[in-house]
Amino acid sequence: NAGVTQTPKFQVLKTGQSMTLQCAQDMNHNSMYWYRQDPGMGLRLIYYSASEGTTDKGEVPNGYNVSRLNKREFSLRLESAAPSQTSVYFCASSDLGRRGEQYFGPGTRLTVT
Amino acid sequence: EDQVTQSPEALRLQEGESSSLNCSYTVSGLRGLFWYRQDPGKGPEFLFTLYSAGEEKEKERLKATLTKKESFLHITAPKPEDSATYLCAVWEGGSEKLVFGKGTKLTVNP
Repeated sequence: NAGVTQTPKFQVLKTGQSMTLQCAQDMNHNSMYWYRQDPGMGLRLIYYSASEGTTDKGEVPNGYNVSRLNKREFSLRLESAAPSQTSVYFCASSDLGRRGEQYFGPGTRLTVT
Repeated sequence: EDQVTQSPEALRLQEGESSSLNCSYTVSGLRGLFWYRQDPGKGPEFLFTLYSAGEEKEKERLKATLTKKESFLHITAPKPEDSATYLCAVWEGGSEKLVFGKGTKLTVNP
């Protein structure tokens, strides 16, 4: 039982490049989330998917897109990376009825130069 | 104005020295308050859920309590392995998301 997995663990991009962060969970959770964590800012929600087939914007969605591929997988895409997107990105999942109890992946550390 | 404020930002304790971390919130219609632990280089790990004032939850050396405006995470006789950043988050009525505080970094020296 792996829980929540994320790939890659580390990535360096040049400004303007694109990439997709992958996330998968094996806990049969309905809801999935993407956060970014920056020093002094705490965890901020980028996008979430309350259930398969739905996605919604969080607090800081600009510059990102998401895809809920199936119940297990939720990807985050940066179409044209900017230095302001340098951050640690976490994926999380939860049961629909216990959405505050979230299970986080190990994170992706992204640097945009 | 931050909806969730944690204090102190950092706390250093000696092993065995009990203390408390504070989380105050300003949301209306609280649907739940959550505590997480985050170790360096890792994702947050869920610890507790509190739903109503007066509720308490315990796990090993940790006890979380909730009032109408704040929550405390009490750490009794801490050990070095309790060193981590502790995050508080709230779920507001009518919202679809957790709002996290910035965390308290706890260091327990042997």
